[in-house]
Amino acid sequence: AQSVAQPEDQVNVAEGNPLTVKCTYSVSGNPYLFWYVQYPNRGLQFLLKYITGDNLVKGSYGFEAEFNKSQTSFHLKKPSALVSDSALYFCAVRVRQGGKLIFGQGTELSVKP
Amino acid sequence: SAVISQKPSRDICQRGTSLTIQCQVDSQVTMMFWYRQQPGQSLTLIATANQGSEATYESGFVIDKFPISRPNLTFSTLTVSNMSPEDSSIYLCSATPGTGGLQETQYFGPGTRLLVL
Repeated sequence: AQSVAQPEDQVNVAEGNPLTVKCTYSVSGNPYLFWYVQYPNRGLQFLLKYITGDNLVKGSYGFEAEFNKSQTSFHLKKPSALVSDSALYFCAVRVRQGGKLIFGQGTELSVKP
Repeated sequence: SAVISQKPSRDICQRGTSLTIQCQVDSQVTMMFWYRQQPGQSLTLIATANQGSEATYESGFVIDKFPISRPNLTFSTLTVSNMSPEDSSIYLCSATPGTGGLQETQYFGPGTRLLVL
């Protein structure tokens, strides 16, 4: 079965420091991986995706993610966190059959001034 | 990309009643999806709605409880029937632009916040 895990319910970072939100996956075949962000009382916004090619993927708002096939991970990163980055972050994997997304449980990112 | 709108944005309903949520996409899409996000939890797929065919429901979700319509390539509705407080959730519509290839990004509407009393 295909699945996604986000091992941290919450990540706390000081403004200006680098941040990492972790994601591991389990899929058969090549993975299609996505990161989304959800601000309070809002829907999900797409940040970035890995389909193929370069392992380092750049996305919106200065975020990037590193695909690591040997570790089956797709961690979200940002060199310098902003208070406005505080939100709920979801990692997701696309299932080949039917094309649906399976989501991780989400990680609450809190960036303090 | 795809811009998705939902109506209503929120509602408070009495148990035993039904609510229909509308989802409009700004472009023609093959694949549309309905998700539920219960308080403090992740997203769970309810069903996939493809135009011209019956919706495909995930395990634990049935058509009698969550009937879905998909009359054209830009619109879908989800009805939450015979509601109970356990149905209090955020319901999100989602769509994949174009023909819905695996490489395509799936976009989400702003959600409908439902509270059942």
